Amino acid sequence: QKEVEQNSGPLSVPEGAIASLNCTYSDRGSQSFWYRQYSGKSPELIMSIYSNGDKEDGRFTAQLNKASQYVSLLIRDSQPSDSATYLCAVKDTGFQKLVFGTGTRLLVSP
Amino acid sequence: DGGITQSPKYLFRKEGQNVTLSCEQNLNHDAMYWYRQDPGQGLRLIYYSQIVNDFQKGDIAEGYSVSREKKESFPLTVTSAQKNPTAFYLCASSPRGGAGQETQYFGPGTRLLVL
Repeated sequence: QKEVEQNSGPLSVPEGAIASLNCTYSDRGSQSFWYRQYSGKSPELIMSIYSNGDKEDGRFTAQLNKASQYVSLLIRDSQPSDSATYLCAVKDTGFQKLVFGTGTRLLVSP
Repeated sequence: DGGITQSPKYLFRKEGQNVTLSCEQNLNHDAMYWYRQDPGQGLRLIYYSQIVNDFQKGDIAEGYSVSREKKESFPLTVTSAQKNPTAFYLCASSPRGGAGQETQYFGPGTRLLVL
């Protein structure tokens, strides 16, 4: 049974700073996803990453290291609107269920 | 407007009552999923369906049932056998059955409360 571990936080950063969110997983995993969830709302996809290395999309950069079973999300120029819980999810190629971490709560102060 | 809809937004269940949560998608996705989210916990998979007329149990299927008679619909019934049903229920879908590099997209959720 794959497990996905995240620090529950809260991670507090000032506006304009870089927020760094981390996730580790047990067992083999080839695809990672970061979802953002505002309080009382459903998760929305931020980034997906399938290959080792970095993937950038606007202010967001995901980093995947399959050998270390580690994936991270960097948020540059953090804004108060980024304050949310960030869920990490991992799955294998082929149909395997998506396994979610418990999420890291991010607080960006003005 | 394409997307996933869930209804109702809030649902109240009495003791011993079965209730059904609706999930509809017009994205033409093959696969659909039901998750449960409890405070401080990650999403846990209840049931999933990769094609019409077929579905599989997830990690916490006891006390729940589903059907998949149409591609766009995947209703979840919370039966009286589910002793702790209070949670946030999330429906998701993905394009081609869940294999390969494929993303799941979520509906807005239904919050179930026990009276």
